[in-house]
Amino acid sequence: SAVISQKPSRDICQRGTSLTIQCQVDSQVTMMFWYRQQPGQSLTLIATANQGSEATYESGFVIDKFPISRPNLTFSTLTVSNMSPEDSSIYLCSVADRGNQPQHFGDGTRLSIL
Amino acid sequence: DQQVKQNSPSLSVQEGRISILNCDYTNSMFDYFLWYKKYPAEGPTFLISISSIKDKNEDGRFTVFLNKSAKHLSLHIVPSQPGDSAVYFCAASRLNFGNEKLTFGTGTRLTIIP
Repeated sequence: SAVISQKPSRDICQRGTSLTIQCQVDSQVTMMFWYRQQPGQSLTLIATANQGSEATYESGFVIDKFPISRPNLTFSTLTVSNMSPEDSSIYLCSVADRGNQPQHFGDGTRLSIL
Repeated sequence: DQQVKQNSPSLSVQEGRISILNCDYTNSMFDYFLWYKKYPAEGPTFLISISSIKDKNEDGRFTVFLNKSAKHLSLHIVPSQPGDSAVYFCAASRLNFGNEKLTFGTGTRLTIIP
């Protein structure tokens, strides 16, 4: 299965700042997904990122707050903008190697907002 | 609205015994169900899946049972081993494709007692 690298693995940020999280895959994949896991909660899909088109956001998530880039078939970034303590979460990217294979996840980025 | 529910936040089982983790769902459109295992500071790892056309799928020590009429699935681990101690997430999607959105439960923390 694809190897997924996420950077940074963790960060502590100040309120009002922005952070960009990178997701690198060692093989080409059509779709990449960004999830959020708030403390004690389930994983929630933020958006789906296709190469060459705008990301598709789930209800409750907007592009201004979580802009996503997908410049090629092996890389994506998620930016968490104008952060507040409520954004303290683990952010994870996932991919599916082939259409009928289950999604594989990176190790996540643990983000704390002071 | 929590469409996938894991009502037991934690479970402790003696080593060598059977571990049974439960999951309920409310959306009848879900067609494909997965279990992921998550260790601290790592991303979720795919464990086993089942399509709605089946009622059982087995892979080594892991068996997933699906009861569509009850909208209930369970993961059986037998025999349980100390390395099985982790958080287990149930997930569901509408189609049996990796590019489909996954809806997750809140997880069950399994502790295997040596």
